[in-house]
Amino acid sequence: EADIYQTPRYLVIGTGKKITLECSQTMGHDKMYWYQQDPGMELHLIHYSYGVNSTEKGDLSSESTVSRIRTEHFPLTLESARPSHTSQYLCASSDWGQGASVEKLFFGSGTQLSVL
Amino acid sequence: QQQVKQSPQSLIVQKGGISIINCAYENTAFDYFPWYQQFPGKGPALLIAIRPDVSEKKEGRFTISFNKSAKQFSLHIMDSQPGDSATYFCAATSGGYQKVTFGTGTKLQVIP
Repeated sequence: EADIYQTPRYLVIGTGKKITLECSQTMGHDKMYWYQQDPGMELHLIHYSYGVNSTEKGDLSSESTVSRIRTEHFPLTLESARPSHTSQYLCASSDWGQGASVEKLFFGSGTQLSVL
Repeated sequence: QQQVKQSPQSLIVQKGGISIINCAYENTAFDYFPWYQQFPGKGPALLIAIRPDVSEKKEGRFTISFNKSAKQFSLHIMDSQPGDSATYFCAATSGGYQKVTFGTGTKLQVIP
């Protein structure tokens, strides 16, 4: 079944640790996105990719980095986590412009990150 | 500067009632207005979407009303059910999801 997967679901780490949040999709979508979501706030785009070897920063400034070596995989890395990075991170993919009748984002279930 | 303003922040509706969530936008270049539904512990999922060439779109119990001149759009949930209890986000974009702006969300609770 086509889907988008994020791991881990929850992560509690100490300050200064390097972490990688995993995201994979099986739908063959070119476009992938990372959003940051805090309670009561809108989703903020932090990174996106148009395809393999394409990465762009979103509207929200982020100290994280991303890579897109394979179509299906779009990991997000924090080199040195801080308490200000505590948030929910949502990965999504889209087939916008690939002929779909309705343009939509397919979201993973998210990673809730807590940095102590 | 928030380009999409959503209200109310929370909403309690009795089962069978009508839930109404409103959004207003500023950027006249927006040409696609989706609504997303998010259950606890899950990512958002597209519920319904509209383009500005129509004033209303209906899918089952869910209807988007769109007022281009007022730069407002709203989601109506008819015959609201407890299973509709979720957070709803309006959004607006032009030219793709890399340019999307989301509203702050409305937490809907439908009580029996």
